[in-house]
Amino acid sequence: AQTVTQSQPEMSVQEAETVTLSCTYDTSENNYYLFWYKQPPSRQMILVIRQEAYKQQNATENRFSVNFQKAAKSFSLKISDSQLGDTAMYFCAFIPGTYKYIFGTGTRLKVLA
Amino acid sequence: NAGVTQTPKFRVLKTGQSMTLLCAQDMNHEYMYWYRQDPGMGLRLIHYSVGEGTTAKGEVPDGYNVSRLKKQNFLLGLESAAPSQTSVYFCASSLERGGRSEQFFGPGTRLTVL
Repeated sequence: AQTVTQSQPEMSVQEAETVTLSCTYDTSENNYYLFWYKQPPSRQMILVIRQEAYKQQNATENRFSVNFQKAAKSFSLKISDSQLGDTAMYFCAFIPGTYKYIFGTGTRLKVLA
Repeated sequence: NAGVTQTPKFRVLKTGQSMTLLCAQDMNHEYMYWYRQDPGMGLRLIHYSVGEGTTAKGEVPDGYNVSRLKKQNFLLGLESAAPSQTSVYFCASSLERGGRSEQFFGPGTRLTVL
């Protein structure tokens, strides 16, 4: 079965500190795409970062970066210089095939002032 | 450019009632999707469409029907609502299939079935 596991239901971090959210997945596919989505209290799903599995270089977007370990099937998200606006639910997801996203259960992140 | 919009934002139904959720996108995207989000779970795909006039089942299609008569609209129907369909429903669209392009999400519809 193709699954995504986020083992940290809740996390907190002090403002300006760095936090890492974990994600592991399981698939027999060789090529796929991985994503981190942010869902703030407004419920809007916002793409944070995207990684193509065949690219070895880790994706970065400003304060957000990933540590992609294909052999270990691990895709963690690092948020540097955390801001109060980063408070949200974060979902890890991947597309092993053509259309279907597979989402993890989410990690609720709270940034503390 | 409104992106992806959903109507209504909230709805309360009684068991057995029917309703239609409307999703509209103004980005000329070919691909559209309906998801449901339940507490403690990620989003699960209900149905999707790869173009005008075509639809397909996703992971949890039972109890739902969809139609894509116009490229910009994707409708999700509940013929006879059940309490198990209480959820938040998200519509999304993308320019390309799979992960080649980003899926853009609507703001969600919170549906309660009593």
